[in-house]
Amino acid sequence: QQQVKQSPQSLIVQKGGIPIINCAYENTAFDYFPWYQQFPGKGPALLIAIRPDVSEKKEGRFTISFNKSAKQFSLHIMDSQPGDSATYFCAARASPSGTYKYIFGTGTRLKVLA
Amino acid sequence: DAGITQSPRHKVTETGTPVTLRCHQTENHRYMYWYRQDPGHGLRLIHYSYGVKDTDKGEVSDGYSVSRSKTEDFLLTLESATSSQTSVYFCAINPAGGSDEQYFGPGTRLTVT
Repeated sequence: QQQVKQSPQSLIVQKGGIPIINCAYENTAFDYFPWYQQFPGKGPALLIAIRPDVSEKKEGRFTISFNKSAKQFSLHIMDSQPGDSATYFCAARASPSGTYKYIFGTGTRLKVLA
Repeated sequence: DAGITQSPRHKVTETGTPVTLRCHQTENHRYMYWYRQDPGHGLRLIHYSYGVKDTDKGEVSDGYSVSRSKTEDFLLTLESATSSQTSVYFCAINPAGGSDEQYFGPGTRLTVT
């Protein structure tokens, strides 16, 4: 129930392509769904996030699509660039008794070819 | 980097030795977390703290203990390190108080030989 399943494990696209990374969850108590971007040797950095009462959120070239009934959410990167090559993690937050606890997906390694 | 530092940044230790990793924050945030990152497993929560002396277990807490005696420091201790604890350890903070965002430190690479 606490898992977040992420796919694919790795992804290679050409520059300008639209990579899509998918995540699925079971726990309906999750209340916040962030995506993180991580470059080698660095800590993850928050990229974009969505709450379950919204079906889509866009920030620049990054879009989250959220399907509450299917318990799935996905990250789309428009007009992808070589600089977007990184590992991407989805996550889900539970807030039991006022604390904040995050469960992460296993990550997707994205490579954008020039 | 939200004022988060981790020390040491790299450590090599032998099986059976105790190890303590330190996470320090400068902005008085209430929530602090320890994660480990391993290939194929993503980030897994070890322990977290929601206030001074208030801590709770995460999904992979066996073999780890934590302490938080003051707001700015969150210590992760491996009482007797094992090779399975070779990993990259990340500290994170959640400002809360209206912000949902979680910020990560630069990480500590621990190798247990």
